[in-house]
Amino acid sequence: DGGITQSPKYLFRKEGQNVTLSCEQNLNHDAMYWYRQDPGQGLRLIYYSQIVNDFQKGDIAEGYSVSREKKESFPLTVTSAQKNPTAFYLCASSIAGRSTDTQYFGPGTRLTVL
Amino acid sequence: GQNIDQPTEMTATEGAIVQINCTYQTSGFNGLFWYQQHAGEAPTFLSYNVLDGLEEKGRFSSFLSRSKGYSYLLLKELQMKDSASYLCAPRASGAGSYQLTFGKGTKLSVIP
Repeated sequence: DGGITQSPKYLFRKEGQNVTLSCEQNLNHDAMYWYRQDPGQGLRLIYYSQIVNDFQKGDIAEGYSVSREKKESFPLTVTSAQKNPTAFYLCASSIAGRSTDTQYFGPGTRLTVL
Repeated sequence: GQNIDQPTEMTATEGAIVQINCTYQTSGFNGLFWYQQHAGEAPTFLSYNVLDGLEEKGRFSSFLSRSKGYSYLLLKELQMKDSASYLCAPRASGAGSYQLTFGKGTKLSVIP
């Protein structure tokens, strides 16, 4: 079964701790994305990567970091510099390179910082 | 930048038809997506329009007018399971065209 997996579904951390959210896809997609969703807000782009070993900041990259060492994986680290990290985090992927490119989403990780 | 406007909430009756509107302003235009998102779940792809006109896909149809910066999603024969948020996401052209900008979503409640 092809798809995007994110784990864990729920994550709790203490304030001041870094935490890494995983995202894996076996769709052979080149592009991957991280979004954040807050109540009453649209999805906001944190980082995206079009190819391995390359990534770009989105609209709200401050306090976050990513890596793209493998095509299948795009982990997101929420650092202690992120002022309000409690949110629903969504990873997505797309084939890339075409204007009809559809983004497909993983199930999300709900992060709560105590 | 991009500006996206869609109603915050709508309520409709089971079996009825509902139209969810979206107006947008983008830096160039390279298509518009509609996604459905049930509470606490990931968005799922519904439709993509790049040319003007109506695209029909079963009970769901999506319309686009590029000159007016306007799209709508039409849901027919509403079912209780259609209660969800519907997200409008235009795509800009040129640099950054990999990015989608999502509206805040329209929360649709289907009542018996």
